[in-house]
Amino acid sequence: EPEVTQTPSHQVTQMGQEVILRCVPISNHLYFYWYRQILGQKVEFLVSFYNNEISEKSEIFDDQFSVERPDGSNFTLKIRSTKLEDSAMYFCASSEALASTGELFFGEGSRLTVL
Amino acid sequence: GENVEQHPSTLSVQEGDSAVIKCTYSDSASNYFPWYKQELGKGPQLIIDIRSNVGEKKDQRIAVTLNKTAKHFSLHITETQPEDSAVYFCAARGGGADGLTFGKGTHLIIQP
Repeated sequence: EPEVTQTPSHQVTQMGQEVILRCVPISNHLYFYWYRQILGQKVEFLVSFYNNEISEKSEIFDDQFSVERPDGSNFTLKIRSTKLEDSAMYFCASSEALASTGELFFGEGSRLTVL
Repeated sequence: GENVEQHPSTLSVQEGDSAVIKCTYSDSASNYFPWYKQELGKGPQLIIDIRSNVGEKKDQRIAVTLNKTAKHFSLHITETQPEDSAVYFCAARGGGADGLTFGKGTHLIIQP
C-alpha cells in the first residue's frame, strides 16, 4: 500500500539553528500538507501546498517557516531559526484531492527537539 | 476560524462493550468531518469520515453520526477489541478551507 514517508524520524537541534524536514508524498497525490503536534496536544494545521505554491497557511506558519517541492517527489518544511517552542512532532500529509473530497494520508512524523 | 471540542479526553471500556466519542464544532459552514486513529509512534490514520449532506455512516463496527443543527458529531465503536486501544481525533474542515481543525483527542483504553 502506498504511504507517505518522512525523514528524519527524530532530529535534535540547538535553538537558532535551521532545520529541514523531508517528506515523500504518495506519488499520484496533488495536495500536500504539514501539520504539527506538540506533545500531548492536538494536531494543528500549518500549511497546504498545491500546484507548486502555498494554498493556505495557518497563523502558526510565520516567516520562519517555508515549504518547497524541490523536485518531483520531495516536499520539505524548513524552519529557519528554531525556537524552544518549535519542539513537536511534524506530520506531512498528502491527498489526491482537497481534504474535503479526498482522504488525507499522514506520514509517521518527524520528532523535532529544540534544546 | 473553526473550533473543535472533543470529549471525553480518556475513555475506558470493557472489551466487547461500545465506546462513544463526541465532538462539537463552531463553524456552521464546515462540511467535512473525519475521524482519525493514532497509535503510539505513528501518524493519524483515517478510520471514517462524513460529509455535511449525510446524517450517519457506518463501516462494520464503526459508525459516525452528524447533527448539523446542533453542530456535533460522534464516533461509535461497537464490540470493542484490544486493538481498538489508541488515541482518536475528530476533525472538521471549515467552509473554503484546506486545513483540518482537530479536536484534542480521546485516549481509548479497552480493558480485557
